[in-house]
Amino acid sequence: QKEVEQDPGPLSVPEGAIVSLNCTYSNSAFQYFMWYRQYSRKGPELLMYTYSSGNKEDGRFTAQVDKSSKYISLFIRDSQPSDSATYLCAMSVSSGANSKLTFGKGITLSVRP
Amino acid sequence: DTEVTQTPKHLVMGMTNKKSLKCEQHMGHRAMYWYKQKAKKPPELMFVYSYEKLSINESVPSRFSPECPNSSLLNLHLHALQPEDSALYLCASSQAWAAVYEAFFGQGTRLTVV
Repeated sequence: QKEVEQDPGPLSVPEGAIVSLNCTYSNSAFQYFMWYRQYSRKGPELLMYTYSSGNKEDGRFTAQVDKSSKYISLFIRDSQPSDSATYLCAMSVSSGANSKLTFGKGITLSVRP
Repeated sequence: DTEVTQTPKHLVMGMTNKKSLKCEQHMGHRAMYWYKQKAKKPPELMFVYSYEKLSINESVPSRFSPECPNSSLLNLHLHALQPEDSALYLCASSQAWAAVYEAFFGQGTRLTVV
């Protein structure tokens, strides 16, 4: 079992839809949970990170972490064509100098005008 | 300035060439990273520098040689690469190694080995 599982998609939605992206994980030591957006041929851009369980909101984006289920989600409200990109979840432990990012495989989202 | 700048953006090199990738950040970050990303795959960690010292080498072949001349610069020297080394090479930085959850990535160097 991989440490982080992410549905590879692809996912296609109409403009204005609510998008739900999810990852599951097996390592209970993960404490930080990140979502990156990566446009084609560009570097990943950090959208937000969450520490431990709970929700975090930034504009149209909401990240949720459920540590009891080892499940994280990113919701995008009122999706726009400019949201079309690959979304990567990533996780890290909180053990100081041994922290590494463990990525999911990424899911490609297409928002149709 | 919240940018990680990588040069060049594109590089084509032969298998006998020697070339270098450059990464620069002016955010005062003390941890810097090299990642390799193949098409439709997530980034894979290659090296971690913490306070200008090499802290992690993820069993990367010696044809990749990192260098951290100062706290703002990170280089990746390339020599005798193979076609399978063609990929997007990403540099990232964070305030400290323990703060990797807030890592900023550069736009990458797209490397083609012919």
